[in-house]
Amino acid sequence: DGGITQSPKYLFRKEGQNVTLSCEQNLNHDAMYWYRQDPGQGLRLIYYSQIVNDFQKGDIAEGYSVSREKKESFPLTVTSAQKNPTAFYLCASSTFSGVLNTEAFFGQGTRLTVV
Amino acid sequence: GENVEQHPSTLSVQEGDSAVIKCTYSDSASNYFPWYKQELGKRPQLIIDIRSNVGEKKDQRIAVTLNKTAKHFSLHITETQPEDSAVYFCAASKRKNKLSFGAGTTVTVRA
Repeated sequence: DGGITQSPKYLFRKEGQNVTLSCEQNLNHDAMYWYRQDPGQGLRLIYYSQIVNDFQKGDIAEGYSVSREKKESFPLTVTSAQKNPTAFYLCASSTFSGVLNTEAFFGQGTRLTVV
Repeated sequence: GENVEQHPSTLSVQEGDSAVIKCTYSDSASNYFPWYKQELGKRPQLIIDIRSNVGEKKDQRIAVTLNKTAKHFSLHITETQPEDSAVYFCAASKRKNKLSFGAGTTVTVRA
């Protein structure tokens, strides 16, 4: 069953702690993305990666870090430097032709709550 | 960077009526415009997309129009049904699939 999987679905974190969100895909997609979704603000890009061992900052990268050691995996770490981390986080992946944009497939999301 | 504005933020329609959502974008180099539907508690899913070399695209009850000169594109849903109730997002991209999303429109179809 092909797809993109995020875990966990719900995550609680104490202030001052780092936390890592998992994102795995078996679609053989080159590109992977992390978005943050807040009410009334749509989806905002945190980080994206077009190829293994390479990634780029998106529009709201401060307080976040990522790695791309394997094609299938793109974990996101929310650090204690992120001032307002409570949000819904969505991971996505797509093929990358280098020329044409293609459909992005989303995971089911992780809802992070800072307590 | 690209700025995408989406209107309205909420839309309530009677079942069977049409729904229209409009988006504008700022970067004239954008060339790919997808629309995503997100049902409550679920992941966004692509429902239709259009590229800059096409002015209109239709898929059953859903259609998208693009006006490159005015830098705006619209989603049209005809004969709305209760299952069309969801949040709809427009997006724009010019390269490397770096999508910029609108803020979303919550559509409610009244039975």
